[in-house]
Amino acid sequence: KAGVTQTPRYLIKTRGQQVTLSCSPISGHRSVSWYQQTPGQGLQFLFEYFSETQRNKGNFPGRFSGRQFSNSRSEMNVSTLELGDSALYLCASSLEGDEAFFGQGTRLTVV
Amino acid sequence: GESVGLHLPTLSVQEGDNSIINCAYSNSASDYFIWYKQESGKGPQFIIDIRSNMDKRQGQRVTVLLNKTVKHLSLQIAATQPGDSAVYFCAENYNAGNMLTFGGGTRLMVKP
Repeated sequence: KAGVTQTPRYLIKTRGQQVTLSCSPISGHRSVSWYQQTPGQGLQFLFEYFSETQRNKGNFPGRFSGRQFSNSRSEMNVSTLELGDSALYLCASSLEGDEAFFGQGTRLTVV
Repeated sequence: GESVGLHLPTLSVQEGDNSIINCAYSNSASDYFIWYKQESGKGPQFIIDIRSNMDKRQGQRVTVLLNKTVKHLSLQIAATQPGDSAVYFCAENYNAGNMLTFGGGTRLMVKP
């Protein structure tokens, strides 16, 4: 079956702009989590959605937000982009209490 | 695992040798642990998991050991191959839902 699909793969934005990233989970998976990966901070949890509700939230500013649709697809949005938001954004999907499968990520560069 | 900030420790092994990658996790309430492999330009790939009611679990060429007393996790790779070269992360889950806390990662380099 198809894996986790993230789009776009690469993105370049200017400081102050906003960006929306998309994640399509594995079919049947209702939990979608988002992570930020940077060389300085490693892999950090952003938030998790389950059945269209945010279930867990990491320690990121309010500029980072997300949502989940009825088909379990999820989007995350970053507003007022800063240079420090440049990172690989990873999405993972899972069944309840089971291993999380990651997508290839979206590489965001803020200039 | 604690994020130890990204000076990645590196383990260099000869092809065919066994590899052991270690991880110290942070929360004694964690009840689910996963090892991931990440190759350059790719997302983390699931390798093996273990729940806190176990202390050992084996997969194909891989074994995970869990020591809850000292909050330590290890990944053993048998007969390491060049394709095993990657960064390996341990992750812990102590929350309801799927919120993983990742360790800083270890880079495994396999010499042919």
